[in-house]
Amino acid sequence: KAGVTQTPRYLIKTRGQQVTLSCSPISGHRSVSWYQQTPGQGLQFLFEYFSETQRNKGNFPGRFSGRQFSNSRSEMNVSTLELGDSALYLCASSYSPRDPRVSDTQYFGPGTRLTVL
Amino acid sequence: SQKIEQNSEALNIQEGKTATLTCNYTNYSPAYLQWYRQDPGRGPVFLLLIRENEKEKRKERLKVTFDTTLKQSLFHITASQPADSATYLCALEDYGQNFVFGPGTRLSVLP
Repeated sequence: KAGVTQTPRYLIKTRGQQVTLSCSPISGHRSVSWYQQTPGQGLQFLFEYFSETQRNKGNFPGRFSGRQFSNSRSEMNVSTLELGDSALYLCASSYSPRDPRVSDTQYFGPGTRLTVL
Repeated sequence: SQKIEQNSEALNIQEGKTATLTCNYTNYSPAYLQWYRQDPGRGPVFLLLIRENEKEKRKERLKVTFDTTLKQSLFHITASQPADSATYLCALEDYGQNFVFGPGTRLSVLP
């Protein structure tokens, strides 16, 4: 079974620009979560999509948005980029029944390294 | 406030020894807790999961314990090897909410 794929792997942008990152989950997984990872803040949850609907959202400004398509593929968009947005952006997929009686595991992609100059 | 902490940012041990990593949480009620391994520049990889009603879980050289009274999980790597050097993250899901990850412990196993 193919793993989670993310494109592009590396990206360099300048302040004020916008960026779109893409994530293809493992086949059969309906949940896609996005995380931002920086040395100072660790792994921070951005949002989760399940069946094309945003199910959870972290504490990030509205410049960060996402969507999920009917095939479960997801995109994340960051508008008006700031220097502080430089980070590794990770996508994780899971089956995600959100039933505490059923354990769930997240499978991460390799990430997109975004550098904002 | 809710917090998830890992005992140290970095841990150095000699090859062959047992590494013990700690994860503590506050104001969460996790149904289960997970441990992940992350190598530089790569996404975390799932290692082990332990449920709230389990005391201990093992997988090869790995062992996880979970004490819901202490709100703590311990992660052990026995007979450690240089290839075990990585950052280890604990994570929990707070009943129906999103996953929360600890800051990680960077383990270095010295030959």
